[in-house]
Amino acid sequence: NAGVTQTPKFRVLKTGQSMTLLCAQDMNHEYMYWYRQDPGMGLRLIHYSVGEGTTAKGEVPDGYNVSRLKKQNFLLGLESAAPSQTSVYFCASSNDGSSYEQYFGPGTRLTVT
Amino acid sequence: AQKITQTQPGMFVQEKEAVTLDCTYDTSDPSYGLFWYKQPSSGEMIFLIYQGSYDQQNATEGRYSLNFQKARKSANLVISASQLGDSAMYFCAMMGSYNFNKFYFGSGTKLNVKP
Repeated sequence: NAGVTQTPKFRVLKTGQSMTLLCAQDMNHEYMYWYRQDPGMGLRLIHYSVGEGTTAKGEVPDGYNVSRLKKQNFLLGLESAAPSQTSVYFCASSNDGSSYEQYFGPGTRLTVT
Repeated sequence: AQKITQTQPGMFVQEKEAVTLDCTYDTSDPSYGLFWYKQPSSGEMIFLIYQGSYDQQNATEGRYSLNFQKARKSANLVISASQLGDSAMYFCAMMGSYNFNKFYFGSGTKLNVKP
């Protein structure tokens, strides 16, 4: 079991460029989440999904889009990157809404110049 | 709305001593869960301990225990017999009964264990 994996681990973008972060889990989890972590702050929820084909907005969704075409994958897209999106991005998954543990990926460090 | 507050940006503790990391929360949900995660310098998030709001006893997991005081809305993490490997960021988080899908995190406490 690889658990939760994220691709890529690091990325540098120029302002206005687009990119997609991939999250994959092999635990057959229904729920998946994207967070961002900024220096000195905890994680903030960007978007989440409660199952294949569903997505919903979290706390800080602006500037991001997501898709969950397959149960095991959750994609986070930046259509036009901005320096304010420089952050570490974490993906997580959980078994269902009542599961009391989220399993986190290793994170993706994104810098937008 | 949910809110998690960690008022200690950084703490030092001597190796083998116990340390308490503070966490207070605010929620209007009738039931909720409280969590602690550890984030070492390598960056991964490691689940430590969970406390349900209706649990009668405080949660314990090895050297970790959660001092849950519901009336005070506090969920402090106690680490006994600190080890050098405990040096890390620690995050308190909450999930409300009306928002099973959403975790709310505090800003974290940086713990340094001194030899």
